[in-house]
Amino acid sequence: KAGVTQTPRYLIKTRGQQVTLSCSPISGHRSVSWYQQTPGQGLQFLFEYFSETQRNKGNFPGRFSGRQFSNSRSEMNVSTLELGDSALYLCASSTGPGGREQYFGPGTRLTVT
Amino acid sequence: AQTVTQSQPEMSVQEAETVTLSCTYDTSENNYYLFWYKQPPSRQMILVIRQEAYKQQNATENRFSVNFQKAAKSFSLKISDSQLGDTAMYFCAFMNHSPLTSGSRLTFGEGTQLTVNP
Repeated sequence: KAGVTQTPRYLIKTRGQQVTLSCSPISGHRSVSWYQQTPGQGLQFLFEYFSETQRNKGNFPGRFSGRQFSNSRSEMNVSTLELGDSALYLCASSTGPGGREQYFGPGTRLTVT
Repeated sequence: AQTVTQSQPEMSVQEAETVTLSCTYDTSENNYYLFWYKQPPSRQMILVIRQEAYKQQNATENRFSVNFQKAAKSFSLKISDSQLGDTAMYFCAFMNHSPLTSGSRLTFGEGTQLTVNP
């Protein structure tokens, strides 16, 4: 069974631009979560989607948004990029919410210049 | 809100020896899950082991085992017969049991960089 895939793997953007990251969960998994990893803040939860609905949201500004499609694939969008948005963005999938193991993708490395 | 603390930023161990990584957490919840993830230089997060708070028995996965002390809110990871491939950043993580309110949100510790020396 294929693992979680994330595209693109690397991305360089300029301040003020917007970016869309994509995540395809493991087949059969319906829950997708997003995390931001930075050297200074560590791993922080962004949001979780289950059955196309946002179930949970972390403490990030409204510039960070996401959505989930009927095939469980998810996208996250960051508008008006700031230098501080440079990070590794990790996507994780699970069969559903509540204690189930989450399996992570390889991440998207976003650099904002 | 839950917090997870890993007080050892770095550790090293000789190949074939045993090492224990520490983790403490703070929560007012009674039911929850605890995890250890490893992140090697490839940055791929890999689930190592999972513990359900209502289970008294400590989880074990091959060379990896945990010492779960619920009253002390402590969750340490023991790696036996360390191998070079165990070199990675290890993260302790907490998940609330209530899917309706907390979903699958993981709260991570700061991480412990483990180096296995030949």
